[in-house]
Amino acid sequence: TQLLEQSPQFLSIQEGENLTVYCNSSSVFSSLQWYRQEPGEGPVLLVTVVTGGEVKKLKRLTFQFGDARKDSSLHITAAQPGDTGLYLCAGDEGYSTLTFGKGTMLLVSP
Amino acid sequence: NAGVTQTPKFQVLKTGQSMTLQCAQDMNHNSMYWYRQDPGMGLRLIYYSASEGTTDKGEVPNGYNVSRLNKREFSLRLESAAPSQTSVYFCASRRTASMLSGDTQYFGPGTRLTVL
Repeated sequence: TQLLEQSPQFLSIQEGENLTVYCNSSSVFSSLQWYRQEPGEGPVLLVTVVTGGEVKKLKRLTFQFGDARKDSSLHITAAQPGDTGLYLCAGDEGYSTLTFGKGTMLLVSP
Repeated sequence: NAGVTQTPKFQVLKTGQSMTLQCAQDMNHNSMYWYRQDPGMGLRLIYYSASEGTTDKGEVPNGYNVSRLNKREFSLRLESAAPSQTSVYFCASRRTASMLSGDTQYFGPGTRLTVL
């Protein structure tokens, strides 16, 4: 089983600040997904990156897949309280299951 | 189109009791999954079903059984609940990946289980 290391585990910032969350593995994934989970709910897909070096933007969120497809990052610009939640990365090995990181808990205060 | 539904939303059991968690999806997905989520541990796969009629163990299968009743439904059973099984349980289904889009799992709202 491939491992996905997420950092930081917890991040508490003020509204308007920028932040970056990292997802790293020693192995290669065919694709990588980012999910956000709000309290009391299940994870919801934000984006899937497939190609090495790929950059995808979703409003204030920028996702990047490493050239070697071993790592990914999520950058949030001008964070808002509505961005608060648990961010999970998940790697697809090309089989039937995904490998999830342990998550980054983000708290954005007004 | 309800997506993935789970019942019940909350449950309290005593040690040794049994129960079944129900999951259904209406997206015609072949693959379905059961995860548990504990603080600091992330999502851990309990069992999955890659297609109707097949089931396979995940990372933490001990103490659980599953049934893929049909393409829509995938249930998780605790035969003799233990306090270590106190957790939040999520069911998910998977849209078949393509080379361009990658894999997507759709999650239910979760079942919060406490075993006393």
